[in-house]
Amino acid sequence: QVQLQESGPGLVKPSQTLSLTCTVSGGSISSGLYYWNWIRQPAGKGLEWIGRIYTSGSTNYNPSLKSPVTISVDPSKNQFSLKLTSVSAADTAVYFCARGSSDFAFDYWGQGTLVTVSS
Amino acid sequence: EIVMTQSPATLSVSPGERATLSCRASQSVSSNLAWYQQKPGQAPRLLIYGASTRATGIPARFSGSGSGTEFTLTISSLQSEDFAVYYCHQYNNWWTFGQGTKVEIK
Repeated sequence: QVQLQESGPGLVKPSQTLSLTCTVSGGSISSGLYYWNWIRQPAGKGLEWIGRIYTSGSTNYNPSLKSPVTISVDPSKNQFSLKLTSVSAADTAVYFCARGSSDFAFDYWGQGTLVTVSS
Repeated sequence: EIVMTQSPATLSVSPGERATLSCRASQSVSSNLAWYQQKPGQAPRLLIYGASTRATGIPARFSGSGSGTEFTLTISSLQSEDFAVYYCHQYNNWWTFGQGTKVEIK
């Protein structure tokens, strides 16, 4: 059974960098069949896809995001990470990591982690 | 960007009744459409992918239909555990979600 777990600071100051890591267990992140995603959800609102990475390192990002985004992968640790720079209060949300594929959409999700942007 | 529009925003249904949720895409997404269920404080759970294929472990009372721009999720007989928010998601051209339909107890 594949499991994903997000980790990182729950509080970030405005204009600083939000950094989160997703640890994958029960399967290899290097399988090549999947891509690895970050998705967020502000309180009481819907889901917003942030971006994805393949184990090759190829990335795609949501062009509508205001804060610059970087997603990276560390196959040796079975982890992938998210960095969102110059954050504002609008980036306050629950952040989820999820496994995706062209066939199965997002089939496994982490439990989510709340990140609050506040001074 | 493909915009996904779900209706209604809220659906009030009695246990045991049928619920029908709609999702419309601003342009064709073929059959690259998924449905998720989300309960408070939890991550979304994949119910349907490929517009009509149930994910592993999903009860048969959940069914999906449609292609192109019009999609439907039907819950044939609502159980207490089905009251939640449901999202559609297109993965044909980038990835976008609908705004959600809340299924509440009538």
